[in-house]
Amino acid sequence: SFVLTQPPSVSVAPGQTAKIPCAENNIAYKTVHWYQQKPGQAPVLVVYDDSERPSGIPERFSGSNSENTATLTISRVEAGDEADYFCQVWDSHSDHVVFGGGTKLTVL
Amino acid sequence: QVQLVQSGAEVKRPGASVAVSCKASGYTFSTYWIHWVRQAPGQGLEWMGVINPGGDTTTYAQRFQGKVTMTGDTSTNTVYMELRSLESDDTAVYFCARAGGFGWFDTWGQGTQVTVSS
Repeated sequence: SFVLTQPPSVSVAPGQTAKIPCAENNIAYKTVHWYQQKPGQAPVLVVYDDSERPSGIPERFSGSNSENTATLTISRVEAGDEADYFCQVWDSHSDHVVFGGGTKLTVL
Repeated sequence: QVQLVQSGAEVKRPGASVAVSCKASGYTFSTYWIHWVRQAPGQGLEWMGVINPGGDTTTYAQRFQGKVTMTGDTSTNTVYMELRSLESDDTAVYFCARAGGFGWFDTWGQGTQVTVSS
């Protein structure tokens, strides 16, 4: 199996850009998905297949995946973006799902 | 609309078992695999396993082998997750989630709080 590594926290001022990394050796060869979770709520898919956005998710949310790091980017951050963010991969070899440890985004 | 509705909160004694249900609506039940994910207090998301409701095919995370059983009932569009030999470390919110495509979860249940306490 493998481990997806995320920083515990990221802080950003309103209107700025937040970048949340998800690291693993050669993660570029995997497909990464991202979820937003607010306190007391179920997670919500915000990016799938590295960089695709589900309907209803603002264009401010985008994703990329290169070499050893996948990144969720939130542009023009708003107070309402404050939440925990998790990356996720399906390991086709083991047929198992792996989540990153999660990153708490704080809007200053 | 696509919806997953889970059963209510449970309080169990150590050593007991718990069953959580997840009722699907708004789509063809047997077409999408259902995963179970849990979240201990203040912790991250932990994948438990997956079931193909149409055929009852299952895959469990290694740490839950022998402790969890997932089943599906196509007559009621409901998936069940049974967790046995409960310990205090099993205290968590348990989510079911629909696999919407190649490995991502597009719809989640509201979560079920399971508390294990003597």
